Amino acid sequence: GAGVSQTPSNKVTEKGKYVELRCDPISGHTALYWYRQSLGQGPEFLIYFQGTGAADDSGLPNDRFFAVRPEGSVSTLKIQRTERGDSAVYLCASSAGQGYGYTFGSGTRLTVV
Amino acid sequence: EDQVTQSPEALRLQEGESSSLNCSYTVSGLRGLFWYRQDPGKGPEFLFTLYSAGEEKEKERLKATLTKKESFLHITAPKPEDSATYLCAVRNGNQGGKLIFGQGTELSVKP
Repeated sequence: GAGVSQTPSNKVTEKGKYVELRCDPISGHTALYWYRQSLGQGPEFLIYFQGTGAADDSGLPNDRFFAVRPEGSVSTLKIQRTERGDSAVYLCASSAGQGYGYTFGSGTRLTVV
Repeated sequence: EDQVTQSPEALRLQEGESSSLNCSYTVSGLRGLFWYRQDPGKGPEFLFTLYSAGEEKEKERLKATLTKKESFLHITAPKPEDSATYLCAVRNGNQGGKLIFGQGTELSVKP
């Protein structure tokens, strides 16, 4: 596609439930990033994929968070046992490689009630 | 520890009133300072990348400059459509493509 696509755009879930957030990057972009943005704050790094492998997952807050990119294209961010503090906008970005600029998607707004 | 601080947190301007946004940073081995624009409900939109002190880049009413400790985003004769949150981010030499963002400056331009 022409841009980075994230689905769903909004997700409301109950505390304790499992959620999956999807990111479809720009075709041919090898690098894919997940960030989390709370209200009034800048994006906070979660994980970075180069191809199929997670090159840097140092930003994942705990083991409830996990992300995959099995074929080097679409990525899924998975959150287990959601907590109210997980409520935020989850942003995905892709780039042609480490030295190139990012293109962000519009994000998934996750609300845990 | 790498850190980015933006000021002011919010800025209100009248149309045509020029001003500057500040981004102060500490980073080990800067490999790029980035400016993004973010509209409500949207992801950040890339504006500029600066790599070395003294570098400047321009786009329409925006001009970004870089020193060894900070970057400025100058807005000349702003228009209401320039209203957005402006984000600054840095990439260091040791952490791949990861960006460290500041908290942003929310700019409002009134007609």
